[in-house]
Amino acid sequence: GAVVSQHPSRVICKSGTSVKIECRSLDFQATTMFWYRQFPKQSLMLMATSNEGSKATYEQGVEKDKFLINHASLTLSTLTVTSAHPEDSSFYICSARDLRGAVQETQYFGPGTRLLVL
Amino acid sequence: GQNIDQPTEMTATEGAIVQINCTYQTSGFNGLFWYQQHAGEAPTFLSYNVLDGLEEKGRFSSFLSRSKGYSYLLLKELQMKDSASYLCAVKTGGFKTIFGAGTRLFVKA
Repeated sequence: GAVVSQHPSRVICKSGTSVKIECRSLDFQATTMFWYRQFPKQSLMLMATSNEGSKATYEQGVEKDKFLINHASLTLSTLTVTSAHPEDSSFYICSARDLRGAVQETQYFGPGTRLLVL
Repeated sequence: GQNIDQPTEMTATEGAIVQINCTYQTSGFNGLFWYQQHAGEAPTFLSYNVLDGLEEKGRFSSFLSRSKGYSYLLLKELQMKDSASYLCAVKTGGFKTIFGAGTRLFVKA
């Protein structure tokens, strides 16, 4: 299957600082990438849809000024958590939509980034 | 509203068969996915159903009934490594994918 990478895999930061997370599709071009957040023992919650060359679409309740998304190329999307606070501590997962293949269109997930804000 | 329901936890014995059910009510439907997620890791793709019926792939099979808003994932010949969370996800009419809370499967010897 397709490969999606995320960097960093784990980050610890102080409250008030900003953290950038990168998501790359390694062997395919992804016009659309998705950013999810997952709290312990809960499901993935879609935060925003990132479209190459245009503004991201945010889900209700997600602050676009706090979670900045940039999808500058067909293989890279970045999520920046600005002025992070302890409640932002979570597992952040990106996925990329692989449109290759006739019928099956699926999302491939990156390995996730665990953010801990002290 | 959007709603995906699946059992919270299930326990099964190594070598046995287990069926994980998922019911959904969404605004539009463009396919249903099953993902496996081990603790602390990202989900991995298992199956995709867009038409009614059963899709078989090795030890894993997935069934869909669109009229009933129902799907199940069938795992055969269970192995200890199958202990994980199994996420049911629906691609809605707006082409967003919404995830259920997941079913934690415990496989015991």
